[in-house]
Parts: sequence; structure tokens; C-alpha cells
Amino acid sequence: SQWGEENLQALSIQEGEDVTMNCSYKTYTTVVQWYRQKSGKGPALIILIRSNEREKRSGRLRATLDTSSQSSSLSITGTLATDTAVYFCATEAGGNYKPTFGKGTSLVVHP
Amino acid sequence: GALVYQYPRRTICKSGTSMRMECQAVGFQATSVAWYRQSPQKTFELIALSTVNSAIKYEQNFTQEKFPISHPNLSFSSMTVLNAYLEDRGLYLCGARGPGHNTEVFFGKGTRLTVV
Repeated sequence: SQWGEENLQALSIQEGEDVTMNCSYKTYTTVVQWYRQKSGKGPALIILIRSNEREKRSGRLRATLDTSSQSSSLSITGTLATDTAVYFCATEAGGNYKPTFGKGTSLVVHP
Repeated sequence: GALVYQYPRRTICKSGTSMRMECQAVGFQATSVAWYRQSPQKTFELIALSTVNSAIKYEQNFTQEKFPISHPNLSFSSMTVLNAYLEDRGLYLCGARGPGHNTEVFFGKGTRLTVV
């Protein structure tokens, strides 16, 4: 999972498989945002889950949030080669206004 | 829709020289602008956060003397890397958001800085 001083994580799977990425955070946050960064581009928000939500779905994406363990997960079902990217989670304390990013998970989906 | 443009997209500068990069928000009021640096195989390091009508807040290891930032209005911000060295290379990202709590941050595509 992401966070701390660990290096960028890497996952390599076949198209059609499901995948789950995890993120742990250190301080209270009112929201966890998941970003996808494709090669050569800036990060783009793909799903946002607030502290009063346990689960959020958007198409093939599913995010969960466990505030007691301070962790979040992002699942992608039926992956496509176009899902290949680096995925980052970002948190921010309420009113802090500064998203802080995890180390990221590199996902490669082979066609 | 809301977009953020950054320019230049790529730049090369000689060691010891300075380089200015710009960030333009379109379609929303950028009340808050955060500048990040992404080094190879690394995540985004927050350099500083600029909020309209507030002082610019720099993170540890980053200073105004090295990374002066300007945020003169609700659509524009710039940052200069002064006296750039090899360790300053990377992708510099501008993330801007509008007013309100927990609103989405819109990112530009970044300015890739190479120092030679």
C-alpha cells in the first residue's frame, strides 16, 4: 500500500482481471481523493470519498474508506489496457486545503 | 469546464540559472494554488500553497528565496526556480481549486525541468 517512505509500488496484471490498491494515511482527513496519472500527463481525479462515506462507486471504480484504521482502497473491475497508469491517493485535513499525496501505485495492464 | 494550463511544458536550463513557470486557471476561480514537484519515481512533494488574501505557505525544505511564487489574481500563478541545480529537476505541477471545502483540485500537465 501507499504512504510513508516506501518506494512507488508496481502491479502488473492481464486485461480483464480485477485489482485493488490500498492507501494508508497518518492524520485525520475529511476526504480521500484518488488520482490517475498517465504517462506524460498531470494527475486527474477519478474518484473522491468523504469521511462520512464507507464506499463510493463510479463505473468500474470502487473506493472504500475506513476512518478507524485510516485506510482507503481503490478497486478496478474488468481492467483494460487503458487503465495503465500510476494511481495516487491524496488526503487533507479539514480546512487544510493542501492535498498530500501517497507514493503511488504503478499499474500496468497487459492486453 | 475547469482547466489548468501550465507553460512551458518542458524547459532546459543551465546549472545555476533560473527558470520561471506559469499556471493559468480557466473556467473557475483559483482561490487556492498549490505547487508540487514530482521527481523521477517519486510522489508529489508539496512546495507551497498560495491562497488569495493569505500569505504563501512554504513546506519544509522549500523556501521563498529559492521558489518565489506570485498569485496576483484568481486565474494566474507563477513560480520561479532560482539558481537551479540537478536536484531541482523534475515535473513541477500546479494544482488549483476554487472556493469551498474539499473541492476538487485541478492539475495542469506540468512543466518538466531539466538542469544541465
